[in-house]
Amino acid sequence: AIQMTQSPSSLSASVGDRVTITCRASQDIRKIVGWYQQRPGKVPKLLIYTASTLHSGVPTRFRGSGSGTNFTLTISSLQPEDFATYYCLQDYTYPRTFGQGTKVEV
Amino acid sequence: QVQLVESGGDVVQPGRSLRLSCAASGFAFSEYMIHWVRQAPGKGLEWVAAISDDGSNKYYADSVKGRFSLSRDNSKNMLYLQMNSLRLDDTALYYCANVVIFPAGVDIWGQGTMVVVSS
Repeated sequence: AIQMTQSPSSLSASVGDRVTITCRASQDIRKIVGWYQQRPGKVPKLLIYTASTLHSGVPTRFRGSGSGTNFTLTISSLQPEDFATYYCLQDYTYPRTFGQGTKVEV
Repeated sequence: QVQLVESGGDVVQPGRSLRLSCAASGFAFSEYMIHWVRQAPGKGLEWVAAISDDGSNKYYADSVKGRFSLSRDNSKNMLYLQMNSLRLDDTALYYCANVVIFPAGVDIWGQGTMVVVSS
């Protein structure tokens, strides 16, 4: 199975900060990666698909980049509602695999 | 209204079986692969299994292969996850999800159903 190694596992940030989360795949997965946000007690929500395409309704402060084995999620200016846990997900092959998650906290 | 609604979660003893159901509405259920994703208390997301639109292809995580089985009834817009030989580490909130990352983005999740495996 493809391993998705996500880092950091947690980070502390303030409103207005620029935040970067990375995900490394154990093999080339082209651009077939998505990024999810999960707020406490809530259902995961898709932010980015095909590595860099913003899902409908997602604010433009979220940006995804990368291809091959290295992927990045950037939040350009952190907002109060962005304090959550973020996951990458590879859809290149089965079994699908999530990264371990990155908790963004104050 | 586009939605997925899971049911069937319960408290069961190790080694027992349980069947989860997922009812879909508001979208073309028979055209999509549907997934199960679980989340143990306080832990991250774990992809569990998926079934193709016509039910002919099924995929499982190594952690559940040989114990869990997927089926679907497109005439009823229903998906089923048969879980056998349950283990303590199967304890989790189980989500039914229609998620597509390539080439387009689709994101429909149920609210989840809780499975607790405890002696």
